[in-house]
This record gives sequence, C-alpha cells and structure tokens, in this order.
Amino acid sequence: DSGVTQTPKHLITATGQRVTLRCSPRSGDLSVYWYQQSLDQGLQFLIQYYNGEERAKGNILERFSAQQFPDLHSELNLSSLELGDSALYFCASSPSLGRDTEAFFGQGTRLTVV
Amino acid sequence: AQSVTQLGSHVSVSEGALVLLRCNYSSSVPPYLFWYVQYPNQGLQLLLKYTSAATLVKGINGFEAEFKKSETSFHLTKPSAHMSDAAEYFCAVTRSGNTPLVFGKGTRLSVIA
Repeated sequence: DSGVTQTPKHLITATGQRVTLRCSPRSGDLSVYWYQQSLDQGLQFLIQYYNGEERAKGNILERFSAQQFPDLHSELNLSSLELGDSALYFCASSPSLGRDTEAFFGQGTRLTVV
Repeated sequence: AQSVTQLGSHVSVSEGALVLLRCNYSSSVPPYLFWYVQYPNQGLQLLLKYTSAATLVKGINGFEAEFKKSETSFHLTKPSAHMSDAAEYFCAVTRSGNTPLVFGKGTRLSVIA
C-alpha cells in the first residue's frame, strides 16, 4: 500500500459526459501528479500541483482540469468525454521539493467511455 | 527535453535466468533516473533510483541498475529471475528534484517456468 488513495477504482460513462477523479496523497506529501496510461500513448504526465499551486503542465487536454485543495487532496475533472479518453488515470504524490523525488503511486482509476 | 527509450516492449526469460531490461536516456542536464514496476491491476512501485551518487544502484527484490554516462544507459538487471518478477517495468527520468517524471513506454517481463 503506497498510501495514495484514488477513487473510484472503476468508472464507466458515456461520451459527452463529465467525471471527477479524486486523489488523496500520502500523509504529509505536498506534491500531487496526475498521469494517464493508455496502450498507445503509455504513461503521459498530465499536471502537477504543489501545496495548492499548479507547478507543471504536461499533455493535458483543454477539456481536462485539476485542482489541489487546502487539505492537499486533488481532483481531476474530465469533460466532454470521448472514446479516446478511456484509460487508466494515476495519481502520485511526493514529499516537498528536494532531491528525494520518489513518487508514490495510487492504484489508479480505470475510466471507460462508451 | 529529457526522455527515455526502453528497448524491447516484451522480454521473456526462463526462471533462474538473468534479467536484463534496457533503458537509454536523453537529457541536456545530469539526470535523475528511476525504475518502476507495475504488477497487474496495481499502481507503480519504485524499484530503484539514481540521483548522481553511486553509479551502481541496488534496489528492492534483488534488482540493480548501473548508470553509464558514456553510453547514456541505465539498464536494469537481476541475476536470477523468479516467477514473481513477471510485471511491466518502466524507466523514468527527471531533471531535478520534484520535477515530473518522464516515463518510457515500458517493458513487459514474462518469466517461463
């Protein structure tokens, strides 16, 4: 158990819909990352937050947004869903900025868009 | 930009044989390099990391990796494969502390009895 909790574990929704994925980082970790894993694209970095502020942005679509709340949990919002958005979405957390960069991953949310 | 290339999307070895998973990196600055493992229906778990200390890095479950700057490589090895090693392995690079990891496409390791 990495200490990172993601809910829900599975999500099935229709095209055009909007969903919210939730992540609770390890206790004390200030940084949260979101990754998308698909068969064709592999593991793609989406976005990073650190202590509530957006820190880095990767290949995140405009239809997707995220935020980190004061209690440090994070949510990834996916809207106007398309079939191609079906993937495994991982959240990871890591300690405060520094050389110890190990990222601890949750078990992921499997999103299926039908 | 930094990136990693994993040679071989699928590697198959016999139980007890040497495991060698290849990773080459591209980075304009000294990299930090990582190997993660993903078991079926699980998240990623850190095996080992290189952060400019010793070039031979030992990790969990008997794995180790050697950083070779001249070859821009960070290959993962294990002397004797076990059935429980069957999983997907990812090499990753980051530029400095706490910047996002950039992952390779992964190598699926199968272990044959």
